[in-house]
Amino acid sequence: DQQVKQNSPSLSVQEGRISILNCDYTNSMFDYFLWYKKYPAEGPTFLISISSIKDKNEDGRFTVFLNKSAKHLSLHIVPSQPGDSAVYFCAASRDTDKLIFGTGTRLQVFP
Amino acid sequence: ETGVTQSPTHLIKTRGQQVTLRCSSQSGHNTVSWYQQALGQGPQFIFQYYREEENGRGNFPPRFSGLQFPNYSSELNVNALELDDSALYLCASSLAEQRGFSGNTIYFGEGSWLTVV
Repeated sequence: DQQVKQNSPSLSVQEGRISILNCDYTNSMFDYFLWYKKYPAEGPTFLISISSIKDKNEDGRFTVFLNKSAKHLSLHIVPSQPGDSAVYFCAASRDTDKLIFGTGTRLQVFP
Repeated sequence: ETGVTQSPTHLIKTRGQQVTLRCSSQSGHNTVSWYQQALGQGPQFIFQYYREEENGRGNFPPRFSGLQFPNYSSELNVNALELDDSALYLCASSLAEQRGFSGNTIYFGEGSWLTVV
């Protein structure tokens, strides 16, 4: 029972362009959503989060959009940089620090 | 760097054996969570320890057990290892009393790679 889904295993984007990573969830009780970035041989690092009472949160080049009616969120990275190449995980929680992760999307930013 | 350290970084065990993985949490954090990340999958919540007591468990069998010590460091023990236990095991520390949950209060270690042969 995959409550958090990332249907695109990989994404390739040219440097300077926008990267859009998508995530769907099934449990309407989730009230917090997070994005983590993971490089090989490192643990996940927190990127940005959004509460279910909001529909947008922005932090520098990173913006997360939440569409509760569609149970969908997306992470926009603009402009994309080669250093953004990593695996991105979407995660959800019910106001706790016990996270439910998606399967990840590998982003590659090429020059 | 998150301040969360895990050991060992890599190990190989034989099916049926037992393994202990260790985690030192971020200074000041009193909660430790363990996750299993199989190849091609996202991290799956195993369990959480808060002040030395189990505080929530995911869908893992009882042969996965843990401990948290007074200094808030933690161990994950897996008995009767199976081939499917091969994965990256991640430890995450947090502070339960921190007001509000915003995600940036959870710190992950680099993980322990376990291979069961």
